[in-house]
Amino acid sequence: DAKTTQPNSMESNEEEPVHLPCNHSTISGTDYIHWYRQLPSQGPEYVIHGLTSNVNNRMASLAIAEDRKSSTLILHRATLRDAAVYYCILRSAAGGYQKVTFGTGTKLQVIP
Amino acid sequence: DTGVSQDPRHKITKRGQNVTFRCDPISEHNRLYWYRQTLGQGPEFLTYFQNEAQLEKSRLLSDRFSAERPKGSFSTLEIQRTEQGDSAMYLCASTASRVGADTQYFGPGTRLTVL
Repeated sequence: DAKTTQPNSMESNEEEPVHLPCNHSTISGTDYIHWYRQLPSQGPEYVIHGLTSNVNNRMASLAIAEDRKSSTLILHRATLRDAAVYYCILRSAAGGYQKVTFGTGTKLQVIP
Repeated sequence: DTGVSQDPRHKITKRGQNVTFRCDPISEHNRLYWYRQTLGQGPEFLTYFQNEAQLEKSRLLSDRFSAERPKGSFSTLEIQRTEQGDSAMYLCASTASRVGADTQYFGPGTRLTVL
């Protein structure tokens, strides 16, 4: 599996934007970039995914570098409910079964 | 609620006992995954089903662990002769077959404590 690297932890003030980085220098041309987050005592939940172009949804935006070796998850206005562990993972579009490999993610603290 | 459900949410057992967990995926999802998560770590893959076929098992899944998905609907994960090292959160996820873009939907997990 292609690997991703994320900072262990980040802090943000409430109502400010948060930029969560992810490096994936060995990404292949058919890998999608997915982000999940896990709130305390819950299972992970899907946030957003993309392939090449930047993506927006109601939860967040995903900015993908032109060379695709890094990406950034953007929360436009952090709230206390956004305090969670955020995981960046790669999923191949090459066909067939793909195991999902989670790293340790970035623990986001939101300060009131 | 049409999401993934897991039962029980919490299980406390004594070492050496057997435990069984159940996962009910989203009804139209044909792929089902089991993960294990210990404190401070991301989920670790255990096993994967496509319909009723178990297509991959992690080396983490020792011979004390067995998983089934009869009829390709709900799944069970059984741990025999539990050990303290089995204490963890056991997560189930399901997805439809959309390669690359398939979103995994996770259940709330079953937290196992082995005394």
